[in-house]
Amino acid sequence: GENVEQHPSTLSVQEGDSAVIKCTYSDSASNYFPWYKQELGKRPQLIIDIRSNVGEKKDQRIAVTLNKTAKHFSLHITETQPEDSAVYFCAASKGMGGNNDMRFGAGTRLTVKP
Amino acid sequence: GAGVSQSPSNKVTEKGKDVELRCDPISGHTALYWYRQSLGQGLEFLIYFQGNSAPDKSGLPSDRFSAERTGGSVSTLTIQRTQQEDSAVYLCASSSRQGMNTEAFFGQGTRLTVV
Repeated sequence: GENVEQHPSTLSVQEGDSAVIKCTYSDSASNYFPWYKQELGKRPQLIIDIRSNVGEKKDQRIAVTLNKTAKHFSLHITETQPEDSAVYFCAASKGMGGNNDMRFGAGTRLTVKP
Repeated sequence: GAGVSQSPSNKVTEKGKDVELRCDPISGHTALYWYRQSLGQGLEFLIYFQGNSAPDKSGLPSDRFSAERTGGSVSTLTIQRTQQEDSAVYLCASSSRQGMNTEAFFGQGTRLTVV
């Protein structure tokens, strides 16, 4: 089955700085890569996703890049704010036409210091 | 329905007892997942249902864990002879296999405490 690894496990940045979280996956058939944000005591919620037919996607301060050859993808948050503090999870699945089996990375605890 | 609903939201049980956790997915979603999240930890995959296909049970940690999904909708996760290490938040998620949108929506979770 799919194996997703995520780094770093914790990340602390100063408000206004950028944060980058990286993930690798093992199954070359995976084609859907979502990122979830989990605030303390709440359920994970999708913040951005990317499909294997594109290499980069942006949504305001958040961007995700995908390198299919190397089987890794990254989340970039620019101009970080204290409310960005949360645990972020990457995931991989064969969502487009294949089984939707979705495996998550271990998570990154991001702390943005004001 | 409005979203994924899980019950109970909290469950305290004595070691050795059996527990059943329930998940009501979003109507029409064919995929349903169970994950376990221990305190401060990641999302540990347990089991995945997709339509009428045989479930992927590869994440179940022991034979004390089982899950069913009746009629392609509601799912129950059963833990027999609970142990203290089973204490965690159990999260259910569902997604649609239709079209391009395969976002998984999570329930609020069931916090299980084994004493």
